[in-house]
This record gives sequence, C-alpha cells and structure tokens, in this order.
Amino acid sequence: SYELTQPLSVSVALGQTARITCGGNNIGRTNVHWYQERPGQAPVLVIYRGSDRPSGIPERFSGFTSGNTATLTISRAQAGDEADYYCQVWDGTTVVFGGGTKLTVL
Amino acid sequence: EVQLLESGGGLVQPGGSLSLSCAASGFTFNAYGMSWVRQAPGKGLEWVSALSGSGDNTFYTDSVRGRFIISRDNSRNTLYLHMRTLRAEDTALYYCAKHAGISGGDAFDIWGQGTTVTVSS
Repeated sequence: SYELTQPLSVSVALGQTARITCGGNNIGRTNVHWYQERPGQAPVLVIYRGSDRPSGIPERFSGFTSGNTATLTISRAQAGDEADYYCQVWDGTTVVFGGGTKLTVL
Repeated sequence: EVQLLESGGGLVQPGGSLSLSCAASGFTFNAYGMSWVRQAPGKGLEWVSALSGSGDNTFYTDSVRGRFIISRDNSRNTLYLHMRTLRAEDTALYYCAKHAGISGGDAFDIWGQGTTVTVSS
C-alpha cells in the first residue's frame, strides 16, 4: 500500500518561513492535498492539487510537488499557524494520509 | 452556508454495532463524493470509506472492509456509516467530509465537527 512520510514536528520562529515535507514514491505524479488541524477543531483544507489555495486561505500558504516530495510552505509564520498538518493523496482505490506534522511557532 | 453535521456516535461494547449519520446542507449533495475519516485519541487522521455521488461506487480501508458499510440517501442529503463487529481500535472521532469533486482524488473541502465512537466493555 502507498505510504506518505512526514516529519513528526517542525519548529519555526515567529515571522519566519516553515517548510513541511511529505515523502511518497513518485508523489510528483499525483494530486497532493494539505490540511491544517488546530487543537479541538476539524481539519481545514489549505492546499489542494499540490499548489492551489482554497478561497479564504492566506497567500502565506503555498505548496510544491516534485519527484518523491511534496512541500507545504508557510511564510511569515504566525502564532495562529501552530497546528498539525497532514498531506493526503488518492492511490487509485484508497485515500492515504501522512502521519501528520506538528508545527510549533516559537 | 455549506455544512455537515454528524450524529449517532456513542459507547458500544466490542462486537456491537452502531450507525452514524451525516446531514449535509448548502450544496448539491448528489453531485459530490463523500468520505468518512476518523481520528483515534492522540493519533492522526485515518480515512475509512468513500462513496461516489450516485452511491454506485464504494471504497474502504482494509481494516473496516466487510464490517462497515457506507451509504447515502440523496433525497435526504444524508450520508451514513453502518458499523458492525466493532473493535476497541475503532474508537475514534469520526468525521464526514465532502469531496471537492466527483473523483476519489479530489480534496476534502468541507468537514463536519465529528461524532465520537467509543468501543469498550
């Protein structure tokens, strides 16, 4: 079965740039989606199809996918960005989530 | 306003059954695929099952195939998850999620707030 690998945690200083990676075999050939899950809240879609941003999501959030890695980039990190982030793909018959990355804003 | 509202969660003994519902509003329900996604306490997101807009195509993760059945009533704008032979490892917060399109590859653009299922004796 297809697997997605994310770092358990990423830290970023307030106002700096955070990058969260998602590794998967030839993930660059798939549509990768990213979700933000704040504590006690339902997940929110922040990036779809690798690099598209839903309405209402700040431009500070961007995505890029190439080869075996997808990357979610959060520029000018704010305290409110502190959350768990999950990547997700469809492998043809099932939905696969990465294990999630806890983003800490210092 | 686009909204999903889950219900039906609760405490059930191992081996028991439970049915979840997800009431949808604010969009053309039968035009979109729908999924159930769960999150065990302190764990990450785990996709459970998906269903096409027409209800003709269903998909399941291996751990629930044969025990869970996903269905929808497009006349009532409602998604269901019928769960049987429940195990302790099925304990989780269960979300219903709307697909952004008709494809299984589409993102989940709307999520409900979830309903909690606890399997314990």
